[in-house]
Amino acid sequence: KQEVTQIPAALSVPEGENLVLNCSFTDSAIYNLQWFRQDPGKGLTSLLLIQSSQREQTSGRLNASLDKSSGRSTLYIAASQPGDSATYLCAVRRGKSTFGDGTTLTVKP
Amino acid sequence: NAGVTQTPKFQVLKTGQSMTLQCAQDMNHNSMYWYRQDPGMGLRLIYYSASEGTTDKGEVPNGYNVSRLNKREFSLRLESAAPSQTSVYFCASNLGQLNTGELFFGEGSRLTVL
Repeated sequence: KQEVTQIPAALSVPEGENLVLNCSFTDSAIYNLQWFRQDPGKGLTSLLLIQSSQREQTSGRLNASLDKSSGRSTLYIAASQPGDSATYLCAVRRGKSTFGDGTTLTVKP
Repeated sequence: NAGVTQTPKFQVLKTGQSMTLQCAQDMNHNSMYWYRQDPGMGLRLIYYSASEGTTDKGEVPNGYNVSRLNKREFSLRLESAAPSQTSVYFCASNLGQLNTGELFFGEGSRLTVL
């Protein structure tokens, strides 16, 4: 059974700092991995989708990497802003989607 | 482009009442899903549909029924609501086969059962 872990559960950083969020999974036989952002009281917004054959994907200040052999993905956020404050979830997908519990990020002005 | 639209956004029910949550997507997606999100439990799959006319149970289907009315719409019905069904419900969809393409979520329906 696939298990997805996101550590830490919460992270607080000052504005402008570069940061990395982690996503670990136990079964490397995945189809793809997707990162989401969830604001309080809102739905999940797709940030990046990485196919199993890819090593990384970039969108603006976001860069997601995937290392299937080690069962890890990271989401790098450059020059963080208060507007980046949200919960970030990863989902590992093959046959079904397995979600992590998320990392709640607070960026302080 | 509206994406995935859910109605209602908020609902309060009494135990034993029934209701239907509506979901519609305008992206021509084949696969659709219903999840519930609870504190400490994460996202759990209730039902899913690989294509129009097909539905299957997910992890927590008890107490729910679904209908894939057409390619756009996928509804979730609570026949006799229970307090344990108090939750935030999300509809999601993706293009192509189950759990392959990019997954898109609606804004959620917040249900309280008294």
